[in-house]
Amino acid sequence: DQQVKQNSPSLSVQEGRISILNCDYTNSMFDYFLWYKKYPAEGPTFLISISSIKDKNEDGRFTVFLNKSAKHLSLHIVPSQPGDSAVYFCAASEPGRAGTALIFGKGTTLSVSS
Amino acid sequence: EAEVAQSPRYKITEKSQAVAFWCDPISGHATLYWYRQILGQGPELLVQFQDESVVDDSQLPKDRFSAERLKGVDSTLKIQPAELGDSAMYLCASSSTGRLSLAKNIQYFGAGTRLSVL
Repeated sequence: DQQVKQNSPSLSVQEGRISILNCDYTNSMFDYFLWYKKYPAEGPTFLISISSIKDKNEDGRFTVFLNKSAKHLSLHIVPSQPGDSAVYFCAASEPGRAGTALIFGKGTTLSVSS
Repeated sequence: EAEVAQSPRYKITEKSQAVAFWCDPISGHATLYWYRQILGQGPELLVQFQDESVVDDSQLPKDRFSAERLKGVDSTLKIQPAELGDSAMYLCASSSTGRLSLAKNIQYFGAGTRLSVL
């Protein structure tokens, strides 16, 4: 059963507008959440993260919001740029596991048109 | 800028053959991960090393997959024999510490090896 879910396979946004990518999770023990961006033929690149004790983290055009009661997080990109077109993965980490590997969602493909 | 190096970038093999992938993590990174990404899915952990020791290989199909990191630096992932269902992207990642923290344990990924089994 998937513990990290990205229910929207794709999102299309116009340049300059806001992109909102959503992620839901089922495991209340997750303590960190991360967003990765992946271009074709490249590996995932770290974008932004948030601790479970926070509800917001901002880095330039990127903001991640966490709603623990709803087990939901979202990534906001403002303003969106054509170079933001990529696959975005939501990932989570659980303390106490044997390792510290990340659990990824299936990804959302963002297309930003000019 | 330091990168995780992986080779080969692409590998085509026939069913029942043996294949091997190589990864060189960012210098000084003690933790190394091998993930497998099937088309349309997110990466899933196969094995994690802390220095030369395996920390988590619970999802590694040990009847056909093996991984080693003999000197705690570079690593090799092997599949023998390869099956059609092994076609995927194999990603290597590294991080500077085994304990996740916002500042220190971001995982850095290589470009991956795309395996096609015919």
